[in-house]
Amino acid sequence: DVVMTQFPLSLPVTLGQPASISCRSSQSLVHSDGNTYLNWFQQRPGQSPRRLIYKVSNRDSGVPDRFSGSGSGTDFTLKISRVEAEDVGVYYCMQATHWPRTFGQGTKLEIK
Amino acid sequence: EVHLLESGGDWVQPGGSLRLSCAASGFIFSNCAMSWVRQAPGKGLEWVSTITDSGGSTSYADSVKGRFTISRDNSKNTLFLQMNSLRAEDTAIYYCARYSNLDSWGQGTLVTVSS
Repeated sequence: DVVMTQFPLSLPVTLGQPASISCRSSQSLVHSDGNTYLNWFQQRPGQSPRRLIYKVSNRDSGVPDRFSGSGSGTDFTLKISRVEAEDVGVYYCMQATHWPRTFGQGTKLEIK
Repeated sequence: EVHLLESGGDWVQPGGSLRLSCAASGFIFSNCAMSWVRQAPGKGLEWVSTITDSGGSTSYADSVKGRFTISRDNSKNTLFLQMNSLRAEDTAIYYCARYSNLDSWGQGTLVTVSS
């Protein structure tokens, strides 16, 4: 199975400051069709997860442009340009290139 | 707007069975693969199973293979998860989600396995 490793696991951030979460996979996430199926999800306290980013860098509908994704191969990053109070929650990366689908452990973002 | 509504979660004793349902609306259900993902209390997300749009192919996590069965009824826009031989470690919120890329999620249904 592909192991997804996120860091940091805890991320205290001051409002208005940037934040960055890294995700590393144990093998390349480049699919045979040429796409890289790396997604990012946000789970606010008490809510269901919500997909933010798909195929590394594509924002889902309604996701603020302060969220951005980047990376390739086995190394990926989610960046928040200016953290807002509503961004508090846990962020997960997930690979959808290989079976079984696997998630990172989650990064808990909190406001300092 | 995509809407997914899970139901069927309950308390069950170890070794018991449960059938979860997920009612879908707001999209052409029969055109979409569907998935189940679970989250144990205070823990992270774990992919459980995916079924293709026609229902002709399924995939399972090793942790549930042989015990859980995913299925669907495209005439009723409903996804199912039959869970047998339940264990304490199956205790979790179970979410249904669209595609194996999980672009939309339901609100989840809680399954508690305990004696």
